[in-house]
Formats: sequence, structure tokens, C-alpha cells
Amino acid sequence: DIQMTQSPSSLSASVGDRVTITCRASHSIRDHLNWYQWKLGAGPKLLIHAAYNLQSGVPSRFSGSGSGTDFTLSISSLQPEDFATYYCQQSYTTPYTFGQGTKLEIK
Amino acid sequence: QVQLQESGPGLVKPSETLSLTCIVSGDSISRYHWSWIRQAAGKGLEWIGRIYTSGTAHYNPSLSSRVSMSVDTSKNQVSLKLTSVTAADTAVYYCARYYDSVASNWFDPWGQGALVTVSS
Repeated sequence: DIQMTQSPSSLSASVGDRVTITCRASHSIRDHLNWYQWKLGAGPKLLIHAAYNLQSGVPSRFSGSGSGTDFTLSISSLQPEDFATYYCQQSYTTPYTFGQGTKLEIK
Repeated sequence: QVQLQESGPGLVKPSETLSLTCIVSGDSISRYHWSWIRQAAGKGLEWIGRIYTSGTAHYNPSLSSRVSMSVDTSKNQVSLKLTSVTAADTAVYYCARYYDSVASNWFDPWGQGALVTVSS
């Protein structure tokens, strides 16, 4: 299985900050990388698919980049509703696997 | 807009079969593919499997001997069965639409999840 490693596991930031979350795959997955946002009591929400494609309806302050084994999710100016847990997921090969999550908390 | 809602028993005894249903509203289930994903407390998300509109299913090898998925187009529902459960199967179970394009694939949207506890 392809292992997905996110860093950091948790992050404290303030409204208006720019933050970056990193995801590393144990093998090259080309650009087959998705990002999700998760809040308690709800299912994960797709933010970015295929490494850098913003899902319809997702604010443009979210962006993704990377290919091969190293990827990033950036939020340009944090809003109160952005404090959540973020997961990366490789869609290159089954079994699909997820990172362990990055919890973004208010400083 | 497609909406998904998982339903089923919240408590299952060890060695018995976990059965969940995903009720799909807002569109015909036969137009899309579907997946199940779970998350145990304090652990990451684990992909369980996917089922295509054709009925063909693929499962995570870690669960493949115990899992099955099916689609009921008359009820617009997707079902998950996991046999011989243990405490390790205690988790929140999510259903999600599996979008499979030429270039890539992803899960969107997801249901809100159903907590299943395995305990006697």
C-alpha cells in the first residue's frame, strides 16, 4: 500500500494567516492527490482533486500544488470556518489511502 | 444536489455481521459509482471499497474476505456488509460518491457518517 504522511499533525494559526500543509507519498502518485476538509459531525468535504484542481464552490483562498511524492495544501487567508482537520488522499492505485490528518486550530 | 445518509444498527455483537445502508437522494444511484470509507476513533480514514454502476466491486485487501457491497436501484440505496466483526471494526462508516474520470478520481460528496460499535 502507498503510505501518505502529512505534516504537521496539528497547527495553530490566526484568522488572516497563510498556512501550508504538506503531504508526502511513499511512492510516486503523479498528480493523483486529493484534499479534504473534515469537521466534527459531518463527512469530509472535497477541496482539491488531482493535486491542484479546486472543487466547484470551494473558496479560491484554497490551493494545491505538487506532483510525484510531495504535495501541499495552502490557505491564503484563514477564515473562522477554515478551522478543521485536513486530509490528503492518494487516488493513484487501490487500496486508496489517506494521510493521518492535520488539525488546524485557532491560536 | 446529491445527498447521502448512512443508516443501520449502532451496536453489533462480536462475530456477527455489520450491515449499513446509504440512502441517496437528489439523483439516480445508477448514474454514479459509490464507495465506503471508515474511521476508527483516533485513527485515520480507511478505504473499504468501491462499487461501479455495473455492479462490479473492488475491496481493500485488508477487508476483502469479509466485506461485500451492493446497489439497490429500486430503493436508490447502496449497502455494505462486513462479516465476523471484532472490536477493531468499531468506527464511523461513511458512504461517498466515487467520481471516476479519465484523469483521476475522488470522493464527493460524503454522508455524515454512522457510528458502529462492536461490543457484546
